[in-house]
Amino acid sequence: SQQGEEDPQALSIQEGENATMNCSYKTSINNLQWYRQNSGRGLVHLILIRSNEREKHSGRLRVTLDTSKKSSSLLITASRAADTASYFCATVNAGNNRKLIWGLGTSLAVNP
Amino acid sequence: GAVVSQHPSRVICKSGTSVKIECRSLDFQATTMFWYRQFPKQSLMLMATSNEGSKATYEQGVEKDKFLINHASLTLSTLTVTSAHPEDSSFYICSAREGGGTLSAFFGQGTRLTVV
Repeated sequence: SQQGEEDPQALSIQEGENATMNCSYKTSINNLQWYRQNSGRGLVHLILIRSNEREKHSGRLRVTLDTSKKSSSLLITASRAADTASYFCATVNAGNNRKLIWGLGTSLAVNP
Repeated sequence: GAVVSQHPSRVICKSGTSVKIECRSLDFQATTMFWYRQFPKQSLMLMATSNEGSKATYEQGVEKDKFLINHASLTLSTLTVTSAHPEDSSFYICSAREGGGTLSAFFGQGTRLTVV
């Protein structure tokens, strides 16, 4: 199955800085979701943005969606060491509302 | 949010034996459950989609006779790795969705399988 692409693959920042991760996809989507995975653990849903939305906020998270460019970004503001994790985007394609199509993930390290 | 419990979190088994992994939705009815496999530092690879009361739909390249999936109730799906081999060692993750729409998925904690 096709996968989206995320960049950067790895990101290392200092506490307090902002972290931005990008995700691109290839087909028309119904929605796009961002998930977080701590090492060796399951995934935690962070935020869902629908195809007719352009921006969404949740606490220190800000997600944008540009359907014309088929891309999304996840911004974590005022990062903390506890934000260290892998972040994945996943899309639900228009017309196929069952499968999540996963990106390759961005590994974020926030240094104290 | 909804809770999905996956058990066991870690299992070590000998080659040739079978291992069963359980995935339970604790506070909602999961009409659809997904089973994924994840290799180190890689993304999730969908293995199969199961709907309660029907046969699982396997992704291309996934052996259905090796990875047996049972979704007998709205709160429980199981994945059995039969005749396990060292190359089956991996991280297996289940997820569950409440309905047939485009809702978010909730994930179990994952199972680290090591076949020796």
